[in-house]
Amino acid sequence: GDSVTQMEGPVTLSEEAFLTINCTYTATGYPSLFWYVQYPGEGLQLLLKATKADDKGSNKGFEATYRKETTSFHLEKGSVQVSDSAVYFCAPINDYKLSFGAGTTVTVRA
Amino acid sequence: GAGVSQSPRYKVAKRGQDVALRCDPISGHVSLFWYQQALGQGPEFLTYFQNEAQLDKSGLPSDRFFAERPEGSVSTLKIQRTQQEDSAVYLCASSRGTAFNGYTFGSGTRLTVV
Repeated sequence: GDSVTQMEGPVTLSEEAFLTINCTYTATGYPSLFWYVQYPGEGLQLLLKATKADDKGSNKGFEATYRKETTSFHLEKGSVQVSDSAVYFCAPINDYKLSFGAGTTVTVRA
Repeated sequence: GAGVSQSPRYKVAKRGQDVALRCDPISGHVSLFWYQQALGQGPEFLTYFQNEAQLDKSGLPSDRFFAERPEGSVSTLKIQRTQQEDSAVYLCASSRGTAFNGYTFGSGTRLTVV
């Protein structure tokens, strides 16, 4: 089945710092790729997605580009805020089944 | 409703007790999914419904786990004779049709077996 390797956390940053969370995947075919975010005490929310090679997903200042040649979907944000503190999950989808990584905990300090 | 609603939000069960977890998907969403999220881990797939049909139950960890969606809307995940290893957050999600655009998750039910 599909699998995901995510950058291990926790990651602690200062406000306005640059954030990168690495994600590589193994999958059959060319799956759509997602980043989900889980804020403290809340459920998973879809952050962004990309459905084919070289697509760039973006939302709330976050970006990720679908790199077929390196099977990667790294998440980036140029200037983080305290409100970005959360757990971030990378996940390819195979038909209907999402395969989540272990998640990366990000803490942003003021 | 506006989002996926799950109840109860928290459940404490004694080992050996049966539990039932409810999921109310977004109105009109055909597909419904259950995932299990152990502490500090990513969610893992349990089962998938399309309307009332359970098309995939390959992720259910044992025959103590049972899910149903009899009228194609509300779904119930039942766990019989709960064990400590069943302690986790159980997440329900729904999508309108195919899941290629991702799906919407509920806030989950945190089950603690003591």
